[in-house]
Amino acid sequence: DVKVTQSSRYLVKRTGEKVFLECVQDMDHENMFWYRQDPGLGLRLIYFSYDVKMKEKGDIPEGYSVSREKKERFSLILESASTNQTSMYLCASSLRHRGGSGANVLTFGAGSRLTVL
Amino acid sequence: ELKVEQNPLFLSMQEGKNYTIYCNYSTTSDRLYWYRQDPGKSLESLFVLLSNGAVKQEGRLMASLDTKARLSTLHITAAVHDLSATYFCAVARGSQGNLIFGKGTKLSVKP
Repeated sequence: DVKVTQSSRYLVKRTGEKVFLECVQDMDHENMFWYRQDPGLGLRLIYFSYDVKMKEKGDIPEGYSVSREKKERFSLILESASTNQTSMYLCASSLRHRGGSGANVLTFGAGSRLTVL
Repeated sequence: ELKVEQNPLFLSMQEGKNYTIYCNYSTTSDRLYWYRQDPGKSLESLFVLLSNGAVKQEGRLMASLDTKARLSTLHITAAVHDLSATYFCAVARGSQGNLIFGKGTKLSVKP
């Protein structure tokens, strides 16, 4: 019954390494999102995508990039990991808003806890 | 810029008591969400509120929305230990489900 799958639950990387976080959803959702969650700061939006090959910056995109080559997969890339990117990363997906009173509920994955040493 | 503020951020309750969590947001939005997160787990959707005056209830939790005041409340009735979790409110920014989250309210229900 898993709907949003994040490939790694725990990762430990070194400063300067390139890091890939993968997210796959099986609900045929158009929208996909990457958030990071830090104690006392809640969830902050990094990037999102409304369609294949499309991406939009969220509130904290610096130091991150994303890739969406297929509808079901949304990857978060840390080109050169830094210690301040140690965090919990949450992927989510939702249907495209089709007007009216649609709810656009986000379904979240289990999260990927990244530690950068 | 849309901002979402929750209070309190920490809430310690006794079983059987009632309490309310508040969620204020700074600009107009047509959708407000409440999520629950258990320790070490991901976020689970609780309620979606789509219009002024909307009220949703599930068990001991009831959520309401006042769009004119830009305020949503999550009311807890006769708390039980199983309700211990972190509760987030989130507000839609734009039309495509881009959500801005509050910082969360960590609820601890003690016997």
